[in-house]
Amino acid sequence: QQQVKQSPQSLIVQKGGISIINCAYENTAFDYFPWYQQFPGKGPALLIAIRPDVSEKKEGRFTISFNKSAKQFSLHIMDSQPGDSATYFCAASIGGGSNYKLTFGKGTLLTVNP
Amino acid sequence: EAGVAQSPRYKIIEKRQSVAFWCNPISGHATLYWYQQILGQGPKLLIQFQNNGVVDDSQLPKDRFSAERLKGVDSTLKIQPAKLEDSAVYLCASSSPTGSSYEQYFGPGTRLTVT
Repeated sequence: QQQVKQSPQSLIVQKGGISIINCAYENTAFDYFPWYQQFPGKGPALLIAIRPDVSEKKEGRFTISFNKSAKQFSLHIMDSQPGDSATYFCAASIGGGSNYKLTFGKGTLLTVNP
Repeated sequence: EAGVAQSPRYKIIEKRQSVAFWCNPISGHATLYWYQQILGQGPKLLIQFQNNGVVDDSQLPKDRFSAERLKGVDSTLKIQPAKLEDSAVYLCASSSPTGSSYEQYFGPGTRLTVT
């Protein structure tokens, strides 16, 4: 059972463009939604995260938009750069502390052409 | 601050052989996770430790996989016997949830190929 569905599988964007990756979840008990960035040969690294009490969070060129009623959230990368080329994973979890467990989407391979 | 260390980085074994992976988390991190990442998919949690106790191992194939975290620091994940479908990257992560921070820090992973 896939609890977090991510799309698209791959995305090609020109330098300076906007990259948009979407995720949908099923479990309404999820209360923490992070995005991870993974470069080849490396482990995933936290990029930005949001809680369902806000509809948007922005950090630099990265923005999460969250729609609680639709059970969807998305990552927007403004002014995309070739260095942003990586695989992006959305995730969701319930609770915190010792019960904090992540459920990941399948990932989106982003390629930013120079 | 040193990151999560894993070894070996790569391992090739034949099916039915055994293999072990090692993880050293960030100093002071009480929670340790092992994930399996199959090519083209997101990481899947196998087991979660809090100090040296198991919090969740519901997705660990216990007939062939085992893990331990002696003394609440380093951890090892073992597969015996390995199957072809175990080919994946095994990621270790650690965290120290404080306040509103839930970040998990991942190691570089061990890429396992079973032939």
